[in-house]
Amino acid sequence: DAGVIQSPRHEVTEMGQEVTLRCKPISGHNSLFWYRQTMMRGLELLIYFNNNVPIDDSGMPEDRFSAKMPNASFSTLKIQPSEPRDSAVYFCASSLAGTSGFPYEQYFGPGTRLTVT
Amino acid sequence: EDQVTQSPEALRLQEGESSSLNCSYTVSGLRGLFWYRQDPGKGPEFLFTLYSAGEEKEKERLKATLTKKESFLHITAPKPEDSATYLCAVQAMEYGNKLVFGAGTILRVKS
Repeated sequence: DAGVIQSPRHEVTEMGQEVTLRCKPISGHNSLFWYRQTMMRGLELLIYFNNNVPIDDSGMPEDRFSAKMPNASFSTLKIQPSEPRDSAVYFCASSLAGTSGFPYEQYFGPGTRLTVT
Repeated sequence: EDQVTQSPEALRLQEGESSSLNCSYTVSGLRGLFWYRQDPGKGPEFLFTLYSAGEEKEKERLKATLTKKESFLHITAPKPEDSATYLCAVQAMEYGNKLVFGAGTILRVKS
């Protein structure tokens, strides 16, 4: 299996621009998670989906952030407009958890390093 | 209030010098405790899941243990390639499928 795939791997953009990050989860996994990692705050969960449905978006910092999962094999995280404080590494992860509640492990993608100037 | 605390923040070992990393947690209704390894520029890599106090799991030079309040990651005779950041995370009943991560321990093993 190719694992979780994220694109782009690096993104440099100017403040005010729209940024779209993409994720393809592991085939057969039914939970998908978006995280942000910074030196100051560590790894933070932004939002997660079960069976393509957003379950908890309490970690999304502001209305500038939005996430969608139109089907089981694709998700996007969009930031509009972007700000310098959004600079971070954004990870996507997937697992078999679904609605079972069983603590299945999450598998992480390689991340997208976002720099907003 | 931090729910998952890892110590030490950083650890330097000589090759072959065994040691332990600690992960303490304050959540109730623990469903699972996870250990991950993260190399620079990469995503966290899954190592172990522990489900209940008293459980132990091993993989090569790593051994993870779990009590009701903390977990230890024991590293026996480490090698330079064991250098990485080690993250622990917990999943609890109150969180659904969410994992709450600790800040990590940066391990450096010198030859």
